[in-house]
Amino acid sequence: QVQLQESGPGLVKPSQTLSLTCTVSGGSISSTDFFCGWIRQHPGKGLEWIGHIYNDGSPFYNPSLRSRLTMSVDTSEDQVSLKLNSVTAADTAVYYCVAMFQGVIVNWGQGRLVTVSS
Amino acid sequence: QSVLSQPPSASGTPGQRVTISCSGSSSNIGSNIVNWYQQFPGTAPKLLIYSDNQRPSGVPERFSGSKSGTSASLAISGLRSEDEADYYCAAWDDSLSGPVFGGGTKLTVL
Repeated sequence: QVQLQESGPGLVKPSQTLSLTCTVSGGSISSTDFFCGWIRQHPGKGLEWIGHIYNDGSPFYNPSLRSRLTMSVDTSEDQVSLKLNSVTAADTAVYYCVAMFQGVIVNWGQGRLVTVSS
Repeated sequence: QSVLSQPPSASGTPGQRVTISCSGSSSNIGSNIVNWYQQFPGTAPKLLIYSDNQRPSGVPERFSGSKSGTSASLAISGLRSEDEADYYCAAWDDSLSGPVFGGGTKLTVL
């Protein structure tokens, strides 16, 4: 069972770039068994799909975030990265790295709270 | 506003059976499997039901899922105090090429 761990700054200033890394263990990101994605949860709110990336590096983004979003995969380090630019307070949320198998989110990281504030 | 619709709250007494509904459309529930997640405060969601009605190992038989057309339901029988949590339905959406979620249902055990 793969495990996922998010890392990155917990505080980002408005208009700057939010950058998070997800490290995968217990399985190789090069495997065709699963792919990784990002989900976020605004404080006290529901879940929002941000995007996901296949092991060949091809990403799929939520249309509402696409213009500000970049995802990449580093198979040598078993890591997936997320960059969201031009952030505002509305991007304050817990960001989860997830493992998806045939479209089903089967594992979640513990989550990383990112606050956008000056 | 969430793509899938769930009631914001549900409640029951210990031992009761509770159901939580989830409504979608032809591009998500109507053409793809439904999954359910359980989330306790301050923790990450956990997969509770997948492929409409399958339980991952370790999930009690008290939890069951069903689907009909563009709607799905999660049923919890023999309700226990430890079932008090938020429950989310999810399904792949062919229009978005990604998963969509319900807004979550907060279950209270009275």
